[in-house]
Amino acid sequence: DGGITQSPKYLFRKEGQNVTLSCEQNLNHDAMYWYRQDPGQGLRLIYYSQIVNDFQKGDIAEGYSVSREKKESFPLTVTSAQKNPTAFYLCASRMGDETQYFGPGTRLLVL
Amino acid sequence: GQNIDQPTEMTATEGAIVQINCTYQTSGFNGLFWYQQHAGEAPTFLSYNVLDGLEEKGRFSSFLSRSKGYSYLLLKELQMKDSASYLCAVRDRGTYKYIFGTGTRLKVLA
Repeated sequence: DGGITQSPKYLFRKEGQNVTLSCEQNLNHDAMYWYRQDPGQGLRLIYYSQIVNDFQKGDIAEGYSVSREKKESFPLTVTSAQKNPTAFYLCASRMGDETQYFGPGTRLLVL
Repeated sequence: GQNIDQPTEMTATEGAIVQINCTYQTSGFNGLFWYQQHAGEAPTFLSYNVLDGLEEKGRFSSFLSRSKGYSYLLLKELQMKDSASYLCAVRDRGTYKYIFGTGTRLKVLA
């Protein structure tokens, strides 16, 4: 089946710890995106990548890092510099002028 | 700058019609998108407008006026399962970034 997968579904972070959220797609899409959603809010863009080995900061990139070494993978690391990481994280991908499609999301909680 | 406004909450009755409005300001427009998001789940794509006019998809229709910076999503024959948040998003022409509104939470009552 073609689609976007995110893992894990729930992730717990301790103070001062870096955690990495996985996003994989087998749709052969060129572009991939990471968003953060807080309760009752819209989506805010963290990072995006139009093609392999290239990515740009979104509106709230501080405290996050990404890599795009393979077309199908776009992992997001939440670093200890992100002081308020509790949120719902959504990965999406897009081909050409089509809409973007979302993965199921990862909910990050701080212990 | 870029800004998107949509109502925070709406309530409607099962079987009725509801219109959710979205107004936007953007420097480079490359399409307006509507997504449905049920509580605790990821958004799913509903419709896309890049030219002025109405796009119809079953019970859902979306309208765009680029000169007015205005769109609406029309839901007909409302069902209980339509209770969800509806997100309006504009795509930027140069960067292909999506700017989202805060979403409209729709409650469908029996």
